[in-house]
Amino acid sequence: GQQVMQIPQYQHVQEGEDFTTYCNSSTTLSNIQWYKQRPGGHPVFLIQLVKSGEVKKQKRLTFQFGEAKKNSSLHITATQTTDVGTYFCAEKSSGGSNYKLTFGKGTLLTVNP
Amino acid sequence: DSGVTQTPKHLITATGQRVTLRCSPRSGDLSVYWYQQSLDQGLQFLIQYYNGEERAKGNILERFSAQQFPDLHSELNLSSLELGDSALYFCASSVGQGSNQPQHFGDGTRLSIL
Repeated sequence: GQQVMQIPQYQHVQEGEDFTTYCNSSTTLSNIQWYKQRPGGHPVFLIQLVKSGEVKKQKRLTFQFGEAKKNSSLHITATQTTDVGTYFCAEKSSGGSNYKLTFGKGTLLTVNP
Repeated sequence: DSGVTQTPKHLITATGQRVTLRCSPRSGDLSVYWYQQSLDQGLQFLIQYYNGEERAKGNILERFSAQQFPDLHSELNLSSLELGDSALYFCASSVGQGSNQPQHFGDGTRLSIL
């Protein structure tokens, strides 16, 4: 079945350090979405990437979609304590169900002030 | 506030019982999704409805069923509950039915099986 690997599973950083989480798929993706879930909260949609090689920025967050559309990354510059949470990628593979998204297991980011 | 309402927030019951979780989507959203989140399995897609029709099925057990009503609210029914069903159940909604739609999640129902 469709598999999305997200690494690392956990990341602890000092405030001000950068952070990156990666999603890798064994199949070509139609699109990929990123969500953030704060501790005790619910997933919140961050962004969607559709085009090969696409790069999108939201303040200190940079999202990339690989040229082959098989991987994606989320990079946070100069982390803050408000960045704490679990970051999920969610993917739809090409040729798969038009409706179903598969979520990665997430990367839990903790930030030491 | 995502605009998605889930009730109840917490549910404690025993093995073998049956429960119903309820979800009201954001105003204007026609799709409803159900997810199960547990520590070891992450966020698992269960089922999606769009405007009352089932659209996609994920890893949903036969003991689980769902429906979406004409007013677009949805219910997830879990029966013959087992200890392993203890988890956080999220409902999400989106405007359209495709997987390119951003999903808006409710606060979840935490189900504890004793």
